[in-house]
Amino acid sequence: EIVLTQSPGTLSLSPGERATLSCRASQSLSSSYLAWYQQKPGQSPRPISFGASRRATGIPDRFTDSGSGTDFTLTISRLEPEDFAVYFCQYYGSSPRTFGQGTKVEIK
Amino acid sequence: QVQLVQSGAEVKKPGASVKVSCKASGYTFINYGISWVRQAPGQGLEWMGWISVYNGNTDYAQKFQGRVTMTTDTSTSTAYMEMRSLRSDDTAMYYCAREGSRPGDSWGQGTLVIVSS
Repeated sequence: EIVLTQSPGTLSLSPGERATLSCRASQSLSSSYLAWYQQKPGQSPRPISFGASRRATGIPDRFTDSGSGTDFTLTISRLEPEDFAVYFCQYYGSSPRTFGQGTKVEIK
Repeated sequence: QVQLVQSGAEVKKPGASVKVSCKASGYTFINYGISWVRQAPGQGLEWMGWISVYNGNTDYAQKFQGRVTMTTDTSTSTAYMEMRSLRSDDTAMYYCAREGSRPGDSWGQGTLVIVSS
């Protein structure tokens, strides 16, 4: 079973700053199957990207996913107020489709 | 537009069963699968399993094998997740999500299941 470890647990940043979220896998993965989700309090998760730079519908281009092998990154180039949330990575190339434990991006 | 509408909150006693529904609209139900994901209070997301609406094939996380059954009713475009032998640590928000070539591209609003004596 693939284990995804996200870091940091919490990222404290100001609007306008760059956010770099890490998702490390226990074994080498295909980037084509590494998804990212955003979740705000009291809401369902919302897809951000589906791997290999495929952004979900309506996601602005300040969100970029990258990485290969065991190390993957979601970058938010300039944080907007609506970007402060929890972000999860998920590998969906094999079963079980495990999630990382999440990174909270909070306002500094 | 694509919508997944889940059934309402449930309160169950330990040992009981719960069946959560997820009614789909805005797309051809049979062309996509449905995944179920749960989230305990203040915790992360946990993938429970997936069902193909087309042929009923299922793929359950090992943790839930034997205790969870996922089904669909194509006549009503509704997916179901039934969990048996509930324990207090099954208290969580349960989500359904549409799955095509892209996982979780649309999610239900969640169903809160509380297990308490």
